[in-house]
Amino acid sequence: EVQLVQSGGGLVRPGESLRLSCAGSDFTFSAYTFNWVRQVPGGGLEWISSITSFGKMIIHADSVRGRFTTSRDNAEASVYLQMTSLRADDTGVYFCARKAISSRYFDSWGQGALVTVSS
Amino acid sequence: QSVLTQPPSVSGAPGQRVTISCTGSSSNLGPNYDFHWYQHLPGTAPKLLIYANSNRPSGVPDRFSGSKSGTSASLVIAGLQTDDEADYYCQSFDSSLSAPYVFGGGTKVTVL
Repeated sequence: EVQLVQSGGGLVRPGESLRLSCAGSDFTFSAYTFNWVRQVPGGGLEWISSITSFGKMIIHADSVRGRFTTSRDNAEASVYLQMTSLRADDTGVYFCARKAISSRYFDSWGQGALVTVSS
Repeated sequence: QSVLTQPPSVSGAPGQRVTISCTGSSSNLGPNYDFHWYQHLPGTAPKLLIYANSNRPSGVPDRFSGSKSGTSASLVIAGLQTDDEADYYCQSFDSSLSAPYVFGGGTKVTVL
């Protein structure tokens, strides 16, 4: 069974940094593009980044570009979201999501990691 | 403001049928782009419900169905069950690339 297990998250102060991890198992990790999607309190889902199978193409939403960095280690079957200069409005639950091959939807999701940015 | 517009909430009694609409507002959503639907219970991972407008992944009951017309889509839940109470999101692809994957604002389904 495909599994995406997330770790990281927590409470940080504005301006601080945090790294989220997402480890995949029971599938060929290097074959897939991965994304990060967040849900802010009381809000819906917001796509924030995407990284292709070997990391050649990485894109970020305007709301996080320049502050967040997405990377992956296929040998470790993991994808990462490095978040810096965190702001209160970055508070939310962050999900990693696997994009289906040759498609534009997300067929498997991590369980989510809560990030709280507060002084 | 989401590129895709959904009603904030819909409700129905057990056994009834509810429909959730998803309307695209961006000129980047061309008629060839597909819509996908996810079910999300708070505190859990979102679950793919419908992909490519009308296809159900293995394990999704046939009570859930989807359709698309132009830059809009609909999700129908027939024979509503208490377990269906959740948030539902539509998603599509926006060719602008600044935010290629776009979601609707979500619809809360309440089973009365």
